[in-house]
Amino acid sequence: ETGVTQTPRHLVMGMTNKKSLKCEQHLGHNAMYWYKQSAKKPLELMFVYNFKEQTENNSVPSRFSPECPNSSHLFLHLHTLQPEDSALYLCASSPGTSAEETQYFGPGTRLLVL
Amino acid sequence: AQKITQTQPGMFVQEKEAVTLDCTYDTSDPSYGLFWYKQPSSGEMIFLIYQGSYDQQNATEGRYSLNFQKARKSANLVISASQLGDSAMYFCAMRDRLGGSARQLTFGSGTQLTVLP
Repeated sequence: ETGVTQTPRHLVMGMTNKKSLKCEQHLGHNAMYWYKQSAKKPLELMFVYNFKEQTENNSVPSRFSPECPNSSHLFLHLHTLQPEDSALYLCASSPGTSAEETQYFGPGTRLLVL
Repeated sequence: AQKITQTQPGMFVQEKEAVTLDCTYDTSDPSYGLFWYKQPSSGEMIFLIYQGSYDQQNATEGRYSLNFQKARKSANLVISASQLGDSAMYFCAMRDRLGGSARQLTFGSGTQLTVLP
């Protein structure tokens, strides 16, 4: 059983909708990540949080808004998305004590924007 | 230049045989880490194995081993005794301290492995 869970697993939304993706980790980690995986493209890092502080924003459009209320939970708020935002969104966590550490991923949310 | 290159979009292997998935990387940082992940059709990225740039020995985890050739900048994954459940997408990834967060993983484009019965 994975230590990182994501909900929902599938999401279909219109371009005018507002929705949120949720990630929860049960590993006692302090760093959490959002990745985007589009068809035929390598995984792209979107955001990094370490001890609830955002440390990375890889030029992600403002229609994606992350939130990290505590070390166990990470949200990705979505609004006015475009069809090209359809992708698999993966959450990951790592201990956060060192850069020399493994990231553990959740099962992902498959997002379709119509 | 791409940091991680996986030149095999697809590979086939017979059940119970060994298979090697290629990965080459590019970095000028002397301290880096290399990872392999498996992604079944369900979507979850499963961590398989890690190799640090200063590790003297090749990493092994059960049926997985990493053939690390530092001078050639290659980190090939070897899966021994393939099983049908090994059919999945396999990603090589690297972490270095250049061009971004020290926590950032850069992924290759992946290799789709199919194990034949």
